[in-house]
Amino acid sequence: SAVISQKPSRDICQRGTSLTIQCQVDSQVTMMFWYRQQPGQSLTLIATANQGSEATYESGFVIDKFPISRPNLTFSTLTVSNMSPEDSSIYLCSAQSGRGEFSYQETQYFGPGTRLLVL
Amino acid sequence: AQKITQTQPGMFVQEKEAVTLDCTYDTSDPSYGLFWYKQPSSGEMIFLIYQGSYDQQNATEGRYSLNFQKARKSANLVISASQLGDSAMYFCAMRGGNTGFQKLVFGTGTRLLVSP
Repeated sequence: SAVISQKPSRDICQRGTSLTIQCQVDSQVTMMFWYRQQPGQSLTLIATANQGSEATYESGFVIDKFPISRPNLTFSTLTVSNMSPEDSSIYLCSAQSGRGEFSYQETQYFGPGTRLLVL
Repeated sequence: AQKITQTQPGMFVQEKEAVTLDCTYDTSDPSYGLFWYKQPSSGEMIFLIYQGSYDQQNATEGRYSLNFQKARKSANLVISASQLGDSAMYFCAMRGGNTGFQKLVFGTGTRLLVSP
């Protein structure tokens, strides 16, 4: 299993500012993901972070609002840009080792999350 | 499209008793994986147990077991001998298909409260 850490663990930010969340995995992984969990809700996939290329965003999420970097196989960042109170959520980084034909069997492991409150 | 349904928004159980958390799913893929995660109030998502669509036996991990009924498309989580530390949100999730990457789809979750 992969051990995933995130920084910061929580933050309180003013509207209009940006916050970058870092995600570090203790081993090389094929795929990394970013999720948002709004208060009292389930998890929603924001994007798949691709190493060496642009992230793949889900419907409703755009690069200008949530730019993502993945410079190598163990690290990724998510930036929440021009924040508003509606961005107050838990942001979770996730990773799995496999992809392709049998990737449905692969367990995704999650980081501890970043609790963001936007005032 | 794949869909996960958890019909129990909240469940209560006494310590040391067993509890079943319901999960039904819908997919047209013959190959899929079912996962259960626990989310304590701290917010982290903890992987509990996995069941593959071709697995002949129900998955077990310690006090967790998965009651997999493929024909009914259900994958209920059974927690035996509940402990106070089991109080948390529990999410059922599914990923299907063997034609490239498919994203993990989550249910709405069930909040479990274990009382002394």
